[in-house]
Amino acid sequence: AQKITQTQPGMFVQEKEAVTLDCTYDTSDPSYGLFWYKQPSSGEMIFLIYQGSYDQQNATEGRYSLNFQKARKSANLVISASQLGDSAMYFCAMRDRWGRDDKIIFGKGTRLHILP
Amino acid sequence: EAQVTQNPRYLITVTGKKLTVTCSQNMNHEYMSWYRQDPGLGLRQIYYSMNVEVTDKGDVPEGYKVSRKEKRNFPLILESPSPNQTSLYFCASSLSFAASGGRGGNQPQHFGDGTRLSIL
Repeated sequence: AQKITQTQPGMFVQEKEAVTLDCTYDTSDPSYGLFWYKQPSSGEMIFLIYQGSYDQQNATEGRYSLNFQKARKSANLVISASQLGDSAMYFCAMRDRWGRDDKIIFGKGTRLHILP
Repeated sequence: EAQVTQNPRYLITVTGKKLTVTCSQNMNHEYMSWYRQDPGLGLRQIYYSMNVEVTDKGDVPEGYKVSRKEKRNFPLILESPSPNQTSLYFCASSLSFAASGGRGGNQPQHFGDGTRLSIL
């Protein structure tokens, strides 16, 4: 069965430090995608980064990178040089297609607080 | 501008009074989905649709109905709302899994701004 686990309900990090947000997943489908979204206090969902199960290299998008360890089934988000505007809720999500289903599941989220 | 539009943004209503939350997208996406967000539980998929006239249950479909008569619209219907359906609801759309060549569904979801629903 599909499963996404984010083990850190909340984190406090000093501004300018790097942050790693944990995400582990489980699926029986060899073809799947992993996504990270940011939800600021205003409530909208903002797509950050994507990693495909067949991708050979870890995804990067500006200050965001994804530490993808396929054998361990983990897809941690790394934010370099954190900024005050990074304070938000972060969700890890997975999309696969087992049989004819095309479900997308989300983790419970990590609330990140950046301290000045 | 590419967008997913949900209405209403806020709604307070009473138990048992049927309501519909509309969702429309202008990106010609095949895949549309409804989620509810509750504190400590993240986003949970209610229903999704892979194309017109094709809908499937997500993880928490009880108490909800959907329809997909047109590609752009995917309304969420609560026939007899109850207080435990008080939540923040999101509609989202994306290209289909197949549109990504079947390689991990690499199309991110585009989300609406959310509908905050309170059932008294």
